[in-house]
Amino acid sequence: EPEVTQTPSHQVTQMGQEVILRCVPISNHLYFYWYRQILGQKVEFLVSFYNNEISEKSEIFDDQFSVERPDGSNFTLKIRSTKLEDSAMYFCASSSDRGSYNEQFFGPGTRLTVL
Amino acid sequence: AQSVTQLGSHVSVSEGALVLLRCNYSSSVPPYLFWYVQYPNQGLQLLLKYTSAATLVKGINGFEAEFKKSETSFHLTKPSAHMSDAAEYFCAVSVGNTDKLIFGTGTRLQVFP
Repeated sequence: EPEVTQTPSHQVTQMGQEVILRCVPISNHLYFYWYRQILGQKVEFLVSFYNNEISEKSEIFDDQFSVERPDGSNFTLKIRSTKLEDSAMYFCASSSDRGSYNEQFFGPGTRLTVL
Repeated sequence: AQSVTQLGSHVSVSEGALVLLRCNYSSSVPPYLFWYVQYPNQGLQLLLKYTSAATLVKGINGFEAEFKKSETSFHLTKPSAHMSDAAEYFCAVSVGNTDKLIFGTGTRLQVFP
């Protein structure tokens, strides 16, 4: 069964460093998302992406964040200068169609620890 | 603005007992509602979804949920818990022309033998 994969599973970095989190969505999906979950808190929407453009972003997704689909398979989230409060589990998701009722398929997450 | 509240961050049941995980939503427009499950070291997996077709929704692994507009609730139930049901469960809402899911804080289900 097709699945969303994410690498690495755990990333440790120093404050101020850049990190890139990688995701491989399901191959025929066209809509891509990033969410994050700070320990003990809700899963929060960060950004949605379609046709090489950001469709929607939350207020969390400031200038320190960027997303890219560098090739036909990968979808990346870059944090330019990490802060302590960026420590969280980051989930990538993809869906085959647009719309609130469509299922989003989630990856296993990348745990980011900023020291 | 839409939101979801999950009552109870931890729920413990005995194997074979009824599972009830509570979710209340807030939305000014008709919502789409979802329950996701997360097993250890895995991604979020869709259990079931409400998209206004039927108020009682059946999902995978014997779970079901009932949409009650008057109570703004979408509680998840399973008649008989199994050890393999131990996981974290998330309720989520989505509305209108947006794709984003708004999640609750999650409920960790423990099942005791």
